[in-house]
Amino acid sequence: SSELTQDPAVSVALGQTVRITCQGDSLRTYYASWYQQRPGQAPLLVIYGKNNRPSGIPDRFSGSRSRNTASLTITGAQAEDEADYYCTSRDTSGNRLYVFGTGTKVTVL
Amino acid sequence: QVQLVQSGAEVRKPGASVKVSCKASGYTFTDYYIHWVRQAPGQGLEWMGWINPKSGDRNYVQKFQGWVTMTRDTSISTAYMDLSRLRSDDTAVYYCAREGCSGGSCFLDVWGQGTTVTDSS
Repeated sequence: SSELTQDPAVSVALGQTVRITCQGDSLRTYYASWYQQRPGQAPLLVIYGKNNRPSGIPDRFSGSRSRNTASLTITGAQAEDEADYYCTSRDTSGNRLYVFGTGTKVTVL
Repeated sequence: QVQLVQSGAEVRKPGASVKVSCKASGYTFTDYYIHWVRQAPGQGLEWMGWINPKSGDRNYVQKFQGWVTMTRDTSISTAYMDLSRLRSDDTAVYYCAREGCSGGSCFLDVWGQGTTVTDSS
């Protein structure tokens, strides 16, 4: 099965830009999707596909991919963006299974 | 609106089993796969597997094969996740999520609120 690796934690000043990365071999084949999880809440989809936002997700969230690395960028971070962020993609086994990244804690200073 | 509503918190003794339900509304239940994900206290998200509500086909992560069973009842648009022979490290929040697909990409676009399963020992 695949593994997806993320930095454990990053911090960003209010209004500045932060990039969260996710590395794994499956990302050479599949786009990542990204999920925001605030304490005590269920995960929330924020980015999917090449760079698509579900309805209601602010346009300060964007996604990209290069080789085996996917990135989530928050441009102009707000206090409410402080949360854990997880990437995920299809597993390379071909059984429609997925693998989650290890998660990144984003702190807005 | 589209939503998944899960059953309430459960407390179980080690060795027992637990069955969590996930009721879908606002969309055609059989048109979307349902996935199950769990999260132990202070830990990350862990994929468990999926069920196709239309066919009943399911697939589990190898770790859970033999002790998780995913089923559905299409008459009431509800999916179930049954975990047997519980251990203390099965204490976690269990989520169901709908898989959406668009432009060749698939993702989990709707999540249940989570069900906490706690070891009573």
